[in-house]
Amino acid sequence: KAGVTQTPRYLIKTRGQQVTLSCSPISGHRSVSWYQQTPGQGLQFLFEYFSETQRNKGNFPGRFSGRQFSNSRSEMNVSTLELGDSALYLCASSRDTDYNEQFFGPGTRLTVL
Amino acid sequence: QKEVEQNSGPLSVPEGAIASLNCTYSDRGSQSFFWYRQYSGKSPELIMFIYSNGDKEDGRFTAQLNKASQYVSLLIRDSQPSDSATYLCAVIPDKLIFGTGTRLQVFP
Repeated sequence: KAGVTQTPRYLIKTRGQQVTLSCSPISGHRSVSWYQQTPGQGLQFLFEYFSETQRNKGNFPGRFSGRQFSNSRSEMNVSTLELGDSALYLCASSRDTDYNEQFFGPGTRLTVL
Repeated sequence: QKEVEQNSGPLSVPEGAIASLNCTYSDRGSQSFFWYRQYSGKSPELIMFIYSNGDKEDGRFTAQLNKASQYVSLLIRDSQPSDSATYLCAVIPDKLIFGTGTRLQVFP
């Protein structure tokens, strides 16, 4: 059974640009959550999607957005990149809205120069 | 006050000992509690979840929850060098909130 996949794995952008990250959940999983991980702040919740609807949102500015498609694949977008957006972005999927079976992908390492 | 607090460590224990990892949370309405393990350079992986007060055991791992004290802990019995990792506590009041993790080092 394939795990959660994220593309791209590494990304380098400059300030002011925008970026789109992609996440393919485990087959049969309908919930996708996104997290930002930095050394200083740790793992912070960005948002969660279930059946194409945003269920929950963390405390991030509106520059961070996401969506989920009918096949449960999800994308997150960050516009007007700032240096502080440099982080590991992790996606996790679960079968439903229970977190007791949540699996993380390998992450996308974003560097903003 | 941080919503989920953990001692950053490192917590160093000898092989075969019991490692005790602790976590406190601020939201009394929290209902679900999780422990994740994250090896260096890897993604977090879920190792335990607990919903009710008391202990929950799974192999060498025991999660303990005390909602009155807003405290959740993870005990690792017979610690092995392969248990060396960062352990993240996570709590759901309305969304999943992580602590910053405790680094565990198990030395032979």
